[in-house]
Amino acid sequence: DIQMTQSPASLSASLGETVSIECLASEGISNDLAWYQQKSGKSPQLLIYAASRLQDGVPSRFSGSGSGTRYSLKISGMQPEDEADYFCQQSYKYPLTFGSGTKLEIK
Amino acid sequence: QVQLKESGPGLVQPSQTLSLTCTVSGLSLTSNSVSWIRQPPGKGLEWMGVIWSNGGTDYNSAIKSRLSISRDTSKSQVFLKMNSLQTEDTAMYFCARFADYYDGYYHAYYFDYWGQGVMVTVSS
Repeated sequence: DIQMTQSPASLSASLGETVSIECLASEGISNDLAWYQQKSGKSPQLLIYAASRLQDGVPSRFSGSGSGTRYSLKISGMQPEDEADYFCQQSYKYPLTFGSGTKLEIK
Repeated sequence: QVQLKESGPGLVQPSQTLSLTCTVSGLSLTSNSVSWIRQPPGKGLEWMGVIWSNGGTDYNSAIKSRLSISRDTSKSQVFLKMNSLQTEDTAMYFCARFADYYDGYYHAYYFDYWGQGVMVTVSS
C-alpha cells in the first residue's frame, strides 16, 4: 500500500497568516493527489485535485503544489472558517489511501 | 444539484452483517462512479471500495473478503454489505462520487461530492 505521511499533525495559525501542510507518499504518485477539508461533524469537502487544480467554488487562497512523492497545500491568509481538519489522498494505486490528517486551529 | 445520502441501521451486533444504502440525485449511476469511505470516531479516513459506472467493482484488499458493493440504477441507489462485523468497524460511513480528470498527460481521481454520512456502532 502507498503510505501517505502528512505533517504536521496539528498547527495553529493567526488570522491572515500563510499556512502549509505537507504530504509525503511512500512512492511516486504522478500528481494523482487530492486535498480535503473536514469541519467538525461534517463530511469532507474537496479543495484540490490533480495536485494543483482548485475545485470550483473553493477560495483562491487555497493552492496545491508538488510532484513525485512530495505535495503541499497552502492557505494564503488564514480565515476563521479555515479552522478544520485537512487530509491528503492518493488515487494512483489501490488501495486508495489518505494521510492521517492535520488539525488546523486559529491562534 | 448533486446529492448523496446514506441510510442504514445505527447499531449492528458483532458478527452480524451491515447493510447500507446510498441514494443519489442529480447524477446517473450509469455514467458516474461511487465509492464508500469510512471514518472511525476521532480517526482518519479509509477507502472501502468503488462501483464504477459500468457496474464493475474494486475493493480495499484489507476488507475485500467481507465487503460487497452493488447498485440499482433504476432507483439511483448504491448498496454496501459487509459481514462479520467487529467493534473496530464502528465508524461514520460515507458514500462519495468518484470523479476523474485527464489533461492529456495526467489522469487523476478524486471524491468531489460526499454524503452526510451515517454513524454505525458495532456493539452487543
